[in-house]
This record gives sequence, C-alpha cells and structure tokens, in this order.
Amino acid sequence: GQNIDQPTEMTATEGAIVQINCTYQTSGFNGLFWYQQHAGEAPTFLSYNVLDGLEEKGRFSSFLSRSKGYSYLLLKELQMKDSASYLCAVRDDNFNKFYFGSGTKLNVKP
Amino acid sequence: ETGVTQTPRHLVMGMTNKKSLKCEQHLGHNAMYWYKQSAKKPLELMFVYNFKEQTENNSVPSRFSPECPNSSHLFLHLHTLQPEDSALYLCASSQGQGAGETQYFGPGTRLLVL
Repeated sequence: GQNIDQPTEMTATEGAIVQINCTYQTSGFNGLFWYQQHAGEAPTFLSYNVLDGLEEKGRFSSFLSRSKGYSYLLLKELQMKDSASYLCAVRDDNFNKFYFGSGTKLNVKP
Repeated sequence: ETGVTQTPRHLVMGMTNKKSLKCEQHLGHNAMYWYKQSAKKPLELMFVYNFKEQTENNSVPSRFSPECPNSSHLFLHLHTLQPEDSALYLCASSQGQGAGETQYFGPGTRLLVL
C-alpha cells in the first residue's frame, strides 16, 4: 500500500527555524509536493521536488532523498502567520495519482 | 484567492437527499480533481478529469457521481449519502498532468450528512 508519514503537530517560536519531516513508501514516485493549509482554507502550493537535493524559495526550503524515501520542509524566520497545517504529497508514476500525508499542524507562538 | 471557486461552501443534507457540489476554475487549466478531506485523515483523491474525460476513479462509491461538462466546470452529484461521508470536499485544477504540474485548490465544501 501507499504510506505517507508526517508528525501530527509541532510547536515553534516566532523567529525560529522549524523542520517538518515526511517519509513515504509508494509503489511509484514522480515528485513530492508540499502544501500549506490554513484552517478553513484551501491548500496552497509551497514547493516541489523530483530530484534529490534542496530547493529554496525565500523563507521556505524543501529537501528530498529518493533513496531514503524522505523529505523535509524547512521554515526560517517563523512568523505567526505560518501557523497552519503542512501537507506532504507524493505523485505516483501514474500522473493521475497523488498520495497525501495527514498533515502536520504547526503552532507558532510569540 | 486561487482562481478555483466552489459552491456551496457549507451543506447539510439528509441521507435521502440529492444535492450537487459545483467547482469552477478560471485559470484555463485542463485537468480537474475531486478530493475528500476528513478530520485527522489524509486527503483522498476521488476523481480526475483531463480535457473533460474521466481518467481516474479511485474506487469511489456510486453514491458519488462526478460530471465534467467542460474544462472549466466540475460537479459532484450526491445521493443517498451516509453520515461517514461528512467531510470537506476539495476541488483542484492543474494546467495538465505532466511532471511537476502544480494543483490549485478551491476553498472546499464542508458537507454534513445527518
């Protein structure tokens, strides 16, 4: 079966750095996506990795190791507005299929 | 605002009712998706349409019936639902289905089945 694991909840302090991990076991792989979802709102795209390594986008970076089935999302200089759920999703070889983790709820405190 | 709208935003229905969810994308995309999001569970892909043709049905019960009249509109027709179908139903679209294609999500319809 397909399995995407993320921590359920994390807490961090404003201004700090936080790393949200995602491990996956899927029958195929054609890219890993990170989305941010504020309560009651639509998920919004943050980053995409298909090759090993780090992708940086402002305060957000995402890392992928395909051999380890592992990714992380790194958030720097945390702001209160970063309090949200962060969803990890893997795209299968069948481009139609996406598998999502349950999401990590990040609480940023002052 | 992601360019994907969904109506209604909230829906309460009895198990014998028939209702429809509507999704519209204003992004000129060719692929559209229905997802179910239940509390504390992963997003579940339900259906995929590409150029109005259904390309994926993820073993969804027949009480959910999708319709895609054109690339901009997607419907989900609901009938004789069960209480466990209560969830957030999200629509998404993407330009195509190539590698790296980003999905843009609508705000969702919060459904409660009594």
